[in-house]
Amino acid sequence: DQQVKQNSPSLSVQEGRISILNCDYTNSMFDYFLWYKKYPAEGPTFLISISSIKDKNEDGRFTVFLNKSAKHLSLHIVPSQPGDSAVYFCAATLSGSARQLTFGSGTQLTVLP
Amino acid sequence: KAGVTQTPRYLIKTRGQQVTLSCSPISGHRSVSWYQQTPGQGLQFLFEYFSETQRNKGNFPGRFSGRQFSNSRSEMNVSTLELGDSALYLCASSSGPSTPDTQYFGPGTRLTVL
Repeated sequence: DQQVKQNSPSLSVQEGRISILNCDYTNSMFDYFLWYKKYPAEGPTFLISISSIKDKNEDGRFTVFLNKSAKHLSLHIVPSQPGDSAVYFCAATLSGSARQLTFGSGTQLTVLP
Repeated sequence: KAGVTQTPRYLIKTRGQQVTLSCSPISGHRSVSWYQQTPGQGLQFLFEYFSETQRNKGNFPGRFSGRQFSNSRSEMNVSTLELGDSALYLCASSSGPSTPDTQYFGPGTRLTVL
């Protein structure tokens, strides 16, 4: 049973435009959500996180939105750059297991120059 | 600050052998978690150690084990290797024990079982 889902395996956007990556979850007990970027043969790199008590968090070009009623979060990248091309994973944790990440399957983002 | 380091980066073993992977966390971090990434199952949590104690364990057989030392360095061991154990093994560290707690990953160890 996949508790964190990324339904789009891939996404292509033009350089300078907005990239929107989506993630859905089924476990309402998740209380912390994170986004990681991963290049092949490397470990995931932390991008941004959000606590379940918030609905938005910004860090530079990255903004994460959380809609708890819909059990949905999204990552917005504005403006997109070719160096953003990577696989993006969303992940979630439970309050009692703060360091046990449950990952989605990932979305391959390609930013076209 | 140096990041999470993992050794070795690549490893080739044969079925039935055992393997030990090593992870050094970011300086000052006391929590180390291990994950397995495969094409079929994605990224899956193996276990977490904090202050030399296993705090959480994922749904993996007993052939997968780990430990943490007093300097927070961690090792994981896989015994009686199977072909399906071929994967990228990732270590992540965090400051712990507060929540929420962001984990930072190392580059991984690519294990190939022949």
